[in-house]
Amino acid sequence: GENVEQHPSTLSVQEGDSAVIKCTYSDSASNYFPWYKQELGKRPQLIIDIRSNVGEKKDQRIAVTLNKTAKHFSLHITETQPEDSAVYFCAASFPSGSARQLTFGSGTQLTVLP
Amino acid sequence: GAVVSQHPSWVICKSGTSVKIECRSLDFQATTMFWYRQFPKQSLMLMATSNEGSKATYEQGVEKDKFLINHASLTLSTLTVTSAHPEDSSFYICSAPTSYSYNEQFFGPGTRLTVL
Repeated sequence: GENVEQHPSTLSVQEGDSAVIKCTYSDSASNYFPWYKQELGKRPQLIIDIRSNVGEKKDQRIAVTLNKTAKHFSLHITETQPEDSAVYFCAASFPSGSARQLTFGSGTQLTVLP
Repeated sequence: GAVVSQHPSWVICKSGTSVKIECRSLDFQATTMFWYRQFPKQSLMLMATSNEGSKATYEQGVEKDKFLINHASLTLSTLTVTSAHPEDSSFYICSAPTSYSYNEQFFGPGTRLTVL
């Protein structure tokens, strides 16, 4: 199966600074890499995703990069704001039987200090 | 986007009782649904894949006789925690992909289970 590792586990930044979270995956058959933001007691919220045929994707202050060769992908948040504080999870989608499963990273607690 | 609901949103039960959690796709048909468990300050761990019209596929270490899954229709999957114990207390979340979203899964709001 797939194994996704995520670093760091906690990250504190000053408001306005950038935050970077990194993930690695093991299964070369994985072809879709979503990033989720989860607030306490809530469902994961998709914030950005990237497919394996794309190296980079950007949506306003959020960007994701993918290096298929190295099996690395990263989340970049620029001009951070206090409301960005939450737990962020990366995930990798790989085939399992007739479905595609998501394997999640261990999560990063991001704190943006005002 | 597609909408997935869960019911109940929270439940408290006594040890030894069974609890049923429903997951519904409201505006699309889901032949596959996924059930996750999330303990406090931990990640989402896949428990099982629910398949409409066939048996669920359980992940290694998940007891199929304890966590009963029934995918009764193209819009409903249920997870029954049988003989619940305090260690089963967790946040249970379901998700479902659609036929038109590229691998994207849509998550239910989750069910907080507390076993006393």
